[in-house]
Amino acid sequence: SQELEQSPQSLIVQEGKNLTINCTSSKTLYGLYWYKQKYGEGLIFLMMLQKGGEEKSHEKITAKLDEKKQQSSLHITASQPSHAGIYLCGADLLRQGAQKLVFGQGTRLTINP
Amino acid sequence: EPEVTQTPSHQVTQMGQEVILRCVPISNHLYFYWYRQILGQKVEFLVSFYNNEISEKSEIFDDQFSVERPDGSNFTLKIRSTKLEDSAMYFCASTRSFLSNQPQHFGDGTRLSIL
Repeated sequence: SQELEQSPQSLIVQEGKNLTINCTSSKTLYGLYWYKQKYGEGLIFLMMLQKGGEEKSHEKITAKLDEKKQQSSLHITASQPSHAGIYLCGADLLRQGAQKLVFGQGTRLTINP
Repeated sequence: EPEVTQTPSHQVTQMGQEVILRCVPISNHLYFYWYRQILGQKVEFLVSFYNNEISEKSEIFDDQFSVERPDGSNFTLKIRSTKLEDSAMYFCASTRSFLSNQPQHFGDGTRLSIL
């Protein structure tokens, strides 16, 4: 089974609409990170969540962590073309040194004008 | 804002040849990582490095792979005898601390194509 599973795998939304991407872990989360990857490029750090119930926002993006459900969600409000890309969740599942990250398969977001 | 830089952006190499991928981590960071992403697949952890030693490595990181910090700024990944299946995007990352409250910052990657 997948350690980190993202849903949906792809998403097409009209500009201005809200959307949510989910990331579910099969193991206890010791840190959850959201990154954005533009096609063929590097990973841009968005946000990290550590504690159950934690919620963080940056501009129009909000991320939450539900520790009990071992799940995180990323919500974008009033989407813009600049939000298009691949969103990856990464998690520290080992709680030991070196912070080895495991990643989900990514959610490809397309914003239609 | 400081960033992780990787060179080259694209490397094409014949199968069986050695290749060295280079990274300059963020200057005050102490922990360094290599990940790879085969086209269409997940980003996978390869190795972590701290204090001139490998901290952890994955099953992918076999004897054909090695890492080095040859000076105070560079961090390299060497593949001794490349195989077709080594074709992938290789990402370098760095962080100040291994603790979960410090995110890893990634470079733009090197696309490695093995012919």
